[in-house]
Amino acid sequence: LAKTTQPISMDSYEGQEVNITCSHNNIATNDYITWYQQFPSQGPRFIIQGYKTKVTNEVASLFIPADRKSSTLSLPRVSLSDTAVYYCLVGGRGTGNQFYFGTGTSLTVIP
Amino acid sequence: ETGVTQTPRHLVMGMTNKKSLKCEQHLGHNAMYWYKQSAKKPLELMFVYNFKEQTENNSVPSRFSPECPNSSHLFLHLHTLQPEDSALYLCASSNDRANTGELFFGEGSRLTVL
Repeated sequence: LAKTTQPISMDSYEGQEVNITCSHNNIATNDYITWYQQFPSQGPRFIIQGYKTKVTNEVASLFIPADRKSSTLSLPRVSLSDTAVYYCLVGGRGTGNQFYFGTGTSLTVIP
Repeated sequence: ETGVTQTPRHLVMGMTNKKSLKCEQHLGHNAMYWYKQSAKKPLELMFVYNFKEQTENNSVPSRFSPECPNSSHLFLHLHTLQPEDSALYLCASSNDRANTGELFFGEGSRLTVL
């Protein structure tokens, strides 16, 4: 199972771009990289998913280098409502349905 | 609204009680999960069901008993719990045929054991 490592916490000012990096050195060929956002006392919410290179949607971008041993979630122009815990999840067909979350990164957006 | 509904949202029980948590998904998925999240801790995978068959039991104590009668419903039966079992219990579902790690979570059931 691919283990993930993220910074425990980050602070950012409103309006700035935030980049959160996740390390997953033993990612398997069939694994996808998925990022989730979680607010207190709520279930995690899907943000973005990718396999390689770059993926962009209306809320974030995901950058994955060629070796796929890390990934970076990029949140453009964060607001106070982006204060949450962000989880990187690695898994896929090769691991069945065994999706283990890491410690996550607690992002605090400062006014 | 994620398409995954958990009830009850809040539950307080004594150590000798028997209660159940219910999860229902309306997404046509065939894999369902129970996660436990204690205060300020990451999610811990408890059980995985795939096409109603249990495929993962992550060394969970027997006082937690899952049940998956069909692909849309998942239960977690609770009995003789301990105060340290107080946590947010999250249900999730996914499309096993895709199996990429895109999980859809419910809002959780906040359990307090007195």
